Amino acid sequence: DVQLVESGGDLVQPGGSLRLSCEASGFSFSNYAMTWVRQAPGKGLEWVSTISDSGGRTFYADSVEGRFTISRDNSKNTLFLQMNSLRAEDTAIYYCAKGEWELPTYFDYWGQGTLVTVSS
Amino acid sequence: EIVLTQSPGTLSLSPGERATLSCRASQIVGSSYLAWYQQKPGQAPRLLIYGASSRATDIPDRFSGSGSGTDFTLSISRLEPEDFAVYFCQQYGNSPLTFGGGTKVEIK
Repeated sequence: DVQLVESGGDLVQPGGSLRLSCEASGFSFSNYAMTWVRQAPGKGLEWVSTISDSGGRTFYADSVEGRFTISRDNSKNTLFLQMNSLRAEDTAIYYCAKGEWELPTYFDYWGQGTLVTVSS
Repeated sequence: EIVLTQSPGTLSLSPGERATLSCRASQIVGSSYLAWYQQKPGQAPRLLIYGASSRATDIPDRFSGSGSGTDFTLSISRLEPEDFAVYFCQQYGNSPLTFGGGTKVEIK
C-alpha cells in the first residue's frame, strides 16, 4: 500500500524557518513527481510546490517563490520542503501528495499532513 | 489562473438522497482535466474522480462525474452515512493547478 508520512510541522515565529519531510513507501518513489499542498485552518486547498521525479525541475506558487525550497532524496524515498521567512499566512496543514504526472496533474495519494503554525 | 467556483457552499440532505455538486471554471479546462476529492474532518483528501468522469481505484459506483469546458458536476446517487464530508474540485488542465473552495455535504 502507498503511504506518505509527513513530519516537521511546529509552532514558529514570523520570519523563522522550518523543514518539512515526507517519507514515502509502497511505490517506486523515484519514478514520480511529488507535490506539497497546504490547507489553512477552515479553508480550501492551495498548491505550494512540485518537484520532478529526478529532482531536476522544481515549480512554486507565487505566494512562496523565493522563500520555500522543495527537494527530494530518492535514495531515502523522502521529500522535503524548506520554509524560510515564514509569515502568518503560511499557517496551514501541509500535505505531501503523489501526482500521476509532473505538472499539472491530479493527486492519487496524500499524506495525513503536518501542521505549521506561524505566530509570535 | 483558472478560478474554480463550487456551489452550493453547503448541501443538506438525508441518507439515501441524491447529491449534485457543481464546479464552474473561469476558463475552459483543457482536456476536461478536472478531479474531485472527498475530505472528512481531520483526514487527508481522497481522490474520487479524475478526467472529469473516471472513478479512481476502489471508489464506489454511486459516485459519478460529468461535464466539460467550464461546467462540471459530481453526483452521488444515494448518500451513505460515510459520504457526508467536504468535496473539492481541482483543475489540472492549466498551470498553476487550482482547487475550488469546497462544498460541504451535511446530514439534514
